[in-house]
Amino acid sequence: DAKTTQPPSMDCAEGRAANLPCNHSTISGNEYVYWYRQIHSQGPQYIIHGLKNNETNEMASLIITEDRKSSTLILPHATLRDTAVYYCIAGSYYGQNFVFGPGTRLSVLP
Amino acid sequence: EAGVAQSPRYKIIEKRQSVAFWCNPISGHATLYWYQQILGQGPKLLIQFQNNGVVDDSQLPKDRFSAERLKGVDSTLKIQPAKLEDSAVYLCASSLETVNTEAFFGQGTRLTVV
Repeated sequence: DAKTTQPPSMDCAEGRAANLPCNHSTISGNEYVYWYRQIHSQGPQYIIHGLKNNETNEMASLIITEDRKSSTLILPHATLRDTAVYYCIAGSYYGQNFVFGPGTRLSVLP
Repeated sequence: EAGVAQSPRYKIIEKRQSVAFWCNPISGHATLYWYQQILGQGPKLLIQFQNNGVVDDSQLPKDRFSAERLKGVDSTLKIQPAKLEDSAVYLCASSLETVNTEAFFGQGTRLTVV
C-alpha cells in the first residue's frame, strides 16, 4: 500500500469548515483513498473513500486532485464532537489491510 | 444493527503470562481483522480472515501470537507468552466483503503487561 503523509495536528474553530490535507504521491492507479477517524478511546470509524472523483456523504467531502497525488477531507461545519485523529490511507481495492500512519490530530475549538 | 463486540475491555497481566481476546463481528460480515495499536501510533494489522480462512498474517508475530476464527464467525486472538512491548489496544474489525467496503471497528481491548 502507498504511504501517505499528513500534518500531525490542526486546529479548527467550531462551525467552520475543517480541511484536512493528505499527500499520497506514490499512489498506484488501482488504489483508493480512504479516510477514517478515531475519537479518544474508541475504534476507528469510517468516513469516506474515493478513487479519482470527488465524493460527498453525510459526514464529509473528499476532494482528490486530478493527478491523484493528494487529497483533502472537508468537514463542512466542524463541531466539538469532530475532535479526533484523522487517518488518510491509500488502499487496494482488493483488501482492507490498510497501513495506518500516525494521522492528523484535529482539535475543534469553541 | 449491533456493532463489533470485543471482550474483555481491559486486561492487566504479568510478562510471560498468556492472554486471550474475543471478538464477535457484525452478523453476516465475511471479513474479520485484528489490529494492534500502540499508544500514539496508528493501528497495525496483525491478521485478516475471510470467513474462516487466513488472508494475510504477514505481520503476526507467530512465535507468540495466534488467532483463529471458528466457523467463520467469532474470533480469538491469543498471546503466549506476553512481553512488555505487547502492551497496546487490540482492535477487531469486520467488513461485509473484502473488496472496497468499509470496515467497522470494535472498541478494542486495552492490554497492559507489567
